[in-house]
Amino acid sequence: SQQGEEDPQALSIQEGENATMNCSYKTSINNLQWYRQNSGRGLVHLILIRSNEREKHSGRLRVTLDTSKKSSSLLITASRAADTASYFCAPGSARQLTFGSGTQLTVLP
Amino acid sequence: DGGITQSPKYLFRKEGQNVTLSCEQNLNHDAMYWYRQDPGQGLRLIYYSQIVNDFQKGDIAEGYSVSREKKESFPLTVTSAQKNPTAFYLCASSISRPNNEQFFGPGTRLTVL
Repeated sequence: SQQGEEDPQALSIQEGENATMNCSYKTSINNLQWYRQNSGRGLVHLILIRSNEREKHSGRLRVTLDTSKKSSSLLITASRAADTASYFCAPGSARQLTFGSGTQLTVLP
Repeated sequence: DGGITQSPKYLFRKEGQNVTLSCEQNLNHDAMYWYRQDPGQGLRLIYYSQIVNDFQKGDIAEGYSVSREKKESFPLTVTSAQKNPTAFYLCASSISRPNNEQFFGPGTRLTVL
């Protein structure tokens, strides 16, 4: 399985700080996506990075991808209390998108 | 409003009963998916469908069944054969291939009493 594995499992920071979450996976991918889930809700797509890209930005989000190390990172800059949620990476192959167990981010006001 | 809806939001079932979860989308997406999420866990794929009248088993299909008679609809039946059905069920859709961006519904929380 090429399920992504996020690290850390939980992260607690103060508002205004940056939050970094990491993802590792096992097999080759076409792309890697990051999703966010508020408690008890569905997932929301944040950003997609293709296998031939190394870095991508979207607002306060910055994603990097290192296919040689089979790893990705999600950086949220200037965090807000509203960023409190679980964040999942999802390595994508032609056949399937798989999800890890997520990083639970808590941003303290 | 374009989107994907699931109903009901909460569902209670007695042991031994089958129950059907609804999923509807008006995004004109070809592909639809059902995932199961247990507390503190990631999502596990139950079934997916890339076209009407066709669907494929995911990683944990045992005890579940689906149909795809219409492009907009992908209902999931949790049968009495599913040993531990209490979970949060999420439906998603995408334009075509599974590795495209997936759009998720709000989920159905199923509790077996």
